[in-house]
Amino acid sequence: DGGITQSPKYLFRKEGQNVTLSCEQNLNHDAMYWYRQDPGQGLRLIYYSQIVNDFQKGDIAEGYSVSREKKESFPLTVTSAQKNPTAFYLCASSDNVRQPQHFGDGTRLSIL
Amino acid sequence: RKEVEQDPGPFNVPEGATVAFNCTYSNSASQSFFWYRQDCRKEPKLLMSVYSSGNEDGRFTAQLNRASQYISLLIRDSKLSDSATYLCVDLTGTASKLTFGTGTRLQVTL
Repeated sequence: DGGITQSPKYLFRKEGQNVTLSCEQNLNHDAMYWYRQDPGQGLRLIYYSQIVNDFQKGDIAEGYSVSREKKESFPLTVTSAQKNPTAFYLCASSDNVRQPQHFGDGTRLSIL
Repeated sequence: RKEVEQDPGPFNVPEGATVAFNCTYSNSASQSFFWYRQDCRKEPKLLMSVYSSGNEDGRFTAQLNRASQYISLLIRDSKLSDSATYLCVDLTGTASKLTFGTGTRLQVTL
């Protein structure tokens, strides 16, 4: 089945540790996105990529990094510089930035 | 002012009722809009696009009012399974990214 797969579903981070969230899609979409959602709040864009080997900062990129070496993969690293990483992280993809996005089922990150 | 604003609700309606949500947007140049549905602790799922002439999909009707800069979602004959948070999304041409509202929570009761 075509879709977007995020892993892991739950992730725990120790203080000072970097963690990487995986996002893979087999929809042949060019654009991919990472969002963060905090309880009771809307989605905030962290990074997005319109094409392989290119990505742009979103509204809250500080403390995060991404790569887009392959069309189907857009991993997000939450670095130790991100002081409040506890949130629900959502990856999405679309044909291009003007088309509606389709979401993975998310990763919940918590601090130990 | 936020780019996209929604009444957070909750809207509590009985089963079978008709309910409508509005979503205001600030960018007069915005070109296209979408409604998403998000269940508790789940990912958003695309519900429908919003066309300038208005569009209907079963019990759901979406409309765009450019003069007053808002979009609306009307749900007829509400079902218990319609209980969710509804997010409106604005495609901002300059930033080339979707701008999500914080969502309106709907609770349909017996």
